[in-house]
Amino acid sequence: DQQVKQNSPSLSVQEGRISILNCDYTNSMFDYFLWYKKYPAEGPTFLISISSIKDKNEDGRFTVFLNKSAKHLSLHIVPSQPGDSAVYFCAASEAYNQGGKLIFGQGTELSVKP
Amino acid sequence: DAGITQSPRYKITETGRQVTLMCHQTWSHSYMFWYRQDLGHGLRLIYYSAAADITDKGEVPDGYVVSRSKTENFPLTLESATRSQTSVYFCASSPIPPNYGYTFGSGTRLTVV
Repeated sequence: DQQVKQNSPSLSVQEGRISILNCDYTNSMFDYFLWYKKYPAEGPTFLISISSIKDKNEDGRFTVFLNKSAKHLSLHIVPSQPGDSAVYFCAASEAYNQGGKLIFGQGTELSVKP
Repeated sequence: DAGITQSPRYKITETGRQVTLMCHQTWSHSYMFWYRQDLGHGLRLIYYSAAADITDKGEVPDGYVVSRSKTENFPLTLESATRSQTSVYFCASSPIPPNYGYTFGSGTRLTVV
């Protein structure tokens, strides 16, 4: 039973345009959400996070939106750059109930074309 | 060097053999985690540890054993390797998850033949 789902295995975007990566979750107890970025042959690196008390968090070109009623979050990258090409994982946690352990989605491979 | 290091980077082993993957962090983070990455499944939690001598199962613990006698080390042992355990394994640490996120190691690619 996949509690965190990324239904798009891949996404291709032109440089300078917006990239939108989507993530759905089923566990209503999740209260903290994160996005990680992973390059080949490297470990994932933390990108941006959002608490369930917010619906938006912005950090430079990256913005995460949370829609709790729909159990959906998305990551917007504007403008997209070739260096953003990587696999993006969303992750969710019950921050206070489960010791903060993260449940990850399957990942979406983003390709930004020059 | 400061950070989190995994060894070996690559390992080939035979079915039925015992193999141990090592993870070492220099920050004295309380929490450490082991994940495996497989196509179509993303990252799945195998075991985690909140402190030395405290460990707990994750989503896919069967066939794995962990120990944490020292804060900085969190080895993962496959007691009798199977082909289904062929995967890329990532270790991670965190001071206060999830608020500070995790810092991941570079991974160990394990092939069981």
